[in-house]
Amino acid sequence: AQSVSQHNHHVILSEAASLELGCNYSYGGTVNLFWYVQYPGQHLQLLLKYFSGDPLVKGIKGFEAEFIKSKFSFNLRKPSVQWSDTAEYFCAVNPGGGADGLTFGKGTHLIIQP
Amino acid sequence: DTGVSQDPRHKITKRGQNVTFRCDPISEHNRLYWYRQTLGQGPEFLTYFQNEAQLEKSRLLSDRFSAERPKGSFSTLEIQRTEQGDSAMYLCASSSFRAATDTQYFGPGTRLTVL
Repeated sequence: AQSVSQHNHHVILSEAASLELGCNYSYGGTVNLFWYVQYPGQHLQLLLKYFSGDPLVKGIKGFEAEFIKSKFSFNLRKPSVQWSDTAEYFCAVNPGGGADGLTFGKGTHLIIQP
Repeated sequence: DTGVSQDPRHKITKRGQNVTFRCDPISEHNRLYWYRQTLGQGPEFLTYFQNEAQLEKSRLLSDRFSAERPKGSFSTLEIQRTEQGDSAMYLCASSSFRAATDTQYFGPGTRLTVL
């Protein structure tokens, strides 16, 4: 069974700082990778996804993530965060080509201080 | 375009009672998923349907839980004889299957509190 590990449960940054949230997964085969975001009081929204092709994927609101197969990692980055990026961020995986349910990490609570 | 909707948004019940939640997926989506999320954790997969067929159930789905999607549209999740450990947010997601590019869109969830 696959698992997902998010290294930081709580991150506090100042506005304009750069962001990198770590995500590692364990699964031996082809995977689909996702980052979801949950803003305060809102439901989970897709931030970006990787299925195949270019390992550097760009999502909404200036976020990007890089898939490094050799490291089983899919880290999320943003060069300059804004106060509105305060949210819970979840990394998720499911087997490539499959319709299986997603396996999520525990999430990272990001707080951006103005 | 309406997204995934869930009803009710909040449910408070006493231990031992039965509860039922409803999920309406995005209209053209043929896959529907149920997840459970507890405080401080990411969502955990419970089960999913393709059209009306229930194709996978996780070990988390004890025999007190049952899910249906009778006409391949909305789905219901029933919990019988609720326990305090069932208190959680129950999330529904839907997707439109395209080989290897299945992206799930989530509803707002139903928060269950078992007293």
